[in-house]
This record gives sequence, C-alpha cells and structure tokens, in this order.
Amino acid sequence: AQKVTQAQTEISVVEKEDVTLDCVYETRDTTYYLFWYKQPPSGELVFLIRRNSFDEQNEISGRYSWNFQKSTSSFNFTITASQVVDSAVYFCALSGGAGSSASKIIFGSGTRLSIRP
Amino acid sequence: NAGVTQTPKFQVLKTGQSMTLQCAQDMNHEYMSWYRQDPGMGLRLIHYSVGAGITDQGEVPNGYNVSRSTTEDFPLRLLSAAPSQTSVYFCASSYSESGAYNEQFFGPGTRLTVL
Repeated sequence: AQKVTQAQTEISVVEKEDVTLDCVYETRDTTYYLFWYKQPPSGELVFLIRRNSFDEQNEISGRYSWNFQKSTSSFNFTITASQVVDSAVYFCALSGGAGSSASKIIFGSGTRLSIRP
Repeated sequence: NAGVTQTPKFQVLKTGQSMTLQCAQDMNHEYMSWYRQDPGMGLRLIHYSVGAGITDQGEVPNGYNVSRSTTEDFPLRLLSAAPSQTSVYFCASSYSESGAYNEQFFGPGTRLTVL
C-alpha cells in the first residue's frame, strides 16, 4: 500500500527565513510519481511540482526547491527567503507509475506553514 | 475553459438525507477523482475514475457512490448522510502520459455540513 507522511503539522517562521517541509513516502512500486500542492487560505489547491522516481536531480523554481532522495524515501520542499504570501497548507502526494497504482493518488495530511511579518 | 467546476459550493443536510455533489470538467481529461478534506487528515481519496464507465474505490469509499456516464461529469452521491460526512469535498481531473497521471486540476470545493 502507498503512504505519504508529513510529520510536521504546523510550522511558523519569520519572514525571510528559509523553511523546509518534509515528506516521507512508502511504496512498493519501482516507478512512481511525487507531487507537491499548495492550499492558500482562499482554499483552492494549486499544483507546484511533479517528479518521477527515476529523476533524483534537485529541482529549483525561483525561491522553491525540492530535494528527492530515494535512499530515504523523502521528497522535501524548501522555501528560501520566505514571504507572507507563502503562508498556506502544503500537501505532498504519491502515485504509482502504471496500472491500478497509478490511479490512486494519495495525499499526506499536510503541513500548515505560517510566515510572520 | 472553465476547468473543473463543482456545485453546490455550500450545502447543509440533515442526517439521513441524500444528495448529489456535481463535478464537471471541460478539459477532456480521462481521470477524475473525489477527495474529502478534514482537519488534520489531509485529502483522502473517496472514489476515482479512469474513464467513462469505469470507477473504483479509494481510501474512504463507504457511504458514497459514484458513476461516470460521460467523460465530463463525475457526480458523487451520498445515499444517507451522516454527521461523519461533514467535510470539504474536492473533485479533480487529470490526464495520462505513458500510463501515469500528470498534475490534478482541482475544483473549488463543496463545503458540506450534516446535522
């Protein structure tokens, strides 16, 4: 069975600090995909990134970066120089690479990030 | 494109009542899904569909039915509402490439309260 664990329920930092959100996953699939979504206070869900299990290169997009480590089954998300607008709930998600496991896209419980001015 | 639309936005039911949450997408996505979001529980998959006429159960399917008669629509039915079904419900759609699914596009959500 697939599982995603986001152990950090809530994080609060002061603006301009760097912050890392942890995501640990479990799967028996050799091919799988990992996702991050953002849910701002307005409530909509916004896609941030999709990464496949064969690509362990770190990804950077502006102030956002992602560190994928198969050895520790982790896909962590770092925000550099955080801003108040980064305040949101962040979800990590996992799907298999093919067949029935590709169709069950499982989410973690989310991390609520608060950026204080 | 409207993307993924959900109706209603808010709904209050009494225990035992039935209702259907509507979801539609205009992106010709083959994959559609329903999630519920509860505090501290994240998003939990209720049911999903990989195409018209094909549905399957997710993590928490009990108390819910779905059907997929067209590519565009994926309604979620509560046959006999219970207070435990008080939640925010999100519908999503996606498309596949080489057998795997890309990002999901989410609707705005339906906030359901069961008294």
